[in-house]
This record gives sequence, structure tokens and C-alpha cells, in this order.
Amino acid sequence: AQSVTQLGSHVSVSEGALVLLRCNYSSSVPPYLFWYVQYPNQGLQLLLKYTSAATLVKGINGFEAEFKKSETSFHLTKPSAHMSDAAEYFCAVSDISGGSNYKLTFGKGTLLTVNP
Amino acid sequence: NAGVTQTPKFQVLKTGQSMTLQCAQDMNHEYMSWYRQDPGMGLRLIHYSVGAGITDQGEVPNGYNVSRSTTEDFPLRLLSAAPSQTSVYFCASSYGGQNSPLHFGNGTRLTVT
Repeated sequence: AQSVTQLGSHVSVSEGALVLLRCNYSSSVPPYLFWYVQYPNQGLQLLLKYTSAATLVKGINGFEAEFKKSETSFHLTKPSAHMSDAAEYFCAVSDISGGSNYKLTFGKGTLLTVNP
Repeated sequence: NAGVTQTPKFQVLKTGQSMTLQCAQDMNHEYMSWYRQDPGMGLRLIHYSVGAGITDQGEVPNGYNVSRSTTEDFPLRLLSAAPSQTSVYFCASSYGGQNSPLHFGNGTRLTVT
């Protein structure tokens, strides 16, 4: 079955600094990968998704992620953090185990704190 | 366009009580699912449905029942609540298919005492 590992449950950066949130996946087939963001007391919103069209994927709010097959990684980056980026971020992989192509398997999440 | 609507937002139950968490979507999505979110555990899939009349178990189905009588609605039933079911529950839907992103509701925060 597919799985996702997010390295670092909590990342803290200064405003204006680079944001790097790490995600590694395991999949026996070419994966579909997603990053979601969750603001306090809200549901999850899609930031971006990888569907094999391009290895560098641009999302909303200035975030982007690069798919690296050799490293089985899909790390999320943003050049300059803003206070409004403080949230929890989840990496997810489309789970095709059992023949299903609908389910998403999520990582445990990374809480991003942005310091003034 | 309301998207995915969950009710109630908050609920407190006593052990052994039953309740239904409601979920409705107005996007004509085939696929609907329920996740629970616990600190440090990420989101875990409880049950899902690929269309009206079709449901299946996810990763943590014990203690929960679902049904899908219409495309729009996908209620989650707790027949006999336990403290271990204290969690935040999210309903999500999508068109289906591997590259179809999930649309989430705002969640129901459930406490079982």
C-alpha cells in the first residue's frame, strides 16, 4: 500500500525566510501526490497536486513542490514566509491498494510556525 | 455553491450514546469519505463511498456505520459512543479518480465523556 512520511512534525521559520516542508512517499506505481493546508478550526484546502505533467508544480499562495522520483520525495517550498502561512500542512498520496483509485493516504502533518 | 457541509460543528456525548454526523455536498461528486483527525496521527480514513448505494471500509471503521442513499448525503453513525471516538471528523468529496482532489467540510469536533 502507498504511504507518506512527513519529516518534522513542527517547523518554525522567521517571516521572510525560506519554507521547506518535507514529504517522502512509497508507491509501487507512479503516484499522484497532493499538498493540503489546514488553518485553525477549518477543513483542509488543496495547495497543489502532482499528476505527472510536470515535476515542478506551482500552487496557491506562492507555494510550489518538486517531484523527485529518484528520491521518492515531494517537498513543499515557499521562498519567503508570511505570517499568514502559519498552519498545518499535509502531504497525501493517491492510494490504489485493493483496486481503488479514490482514496487518499495522508501524512501525519507538519505544523508551520512563522515568527515575526 | 456551498461545497461540503457538515453538521453539527460541535457535539458532546456520553459513553454509550448514539448520534449521526451529517455530511452533504452540492457538487454532484461521486466519491465521499469520512476521516478522523487526531493529534500526531494525521487523517485516517473511516469509511468511503464511490456512489449511491456503495460503501466500503477504510483504515479505522470499527464503531462507525455509513450509508449512501443519495449522491448528495453521506451520514456517519456512531451506534454506541466511546471515549476513544473523541476526535475531529471531516467529510470530503471528489469527482473520483487518482488525480481528483478532495474537497473538505469544516469538520465536527466530537467529545465523548
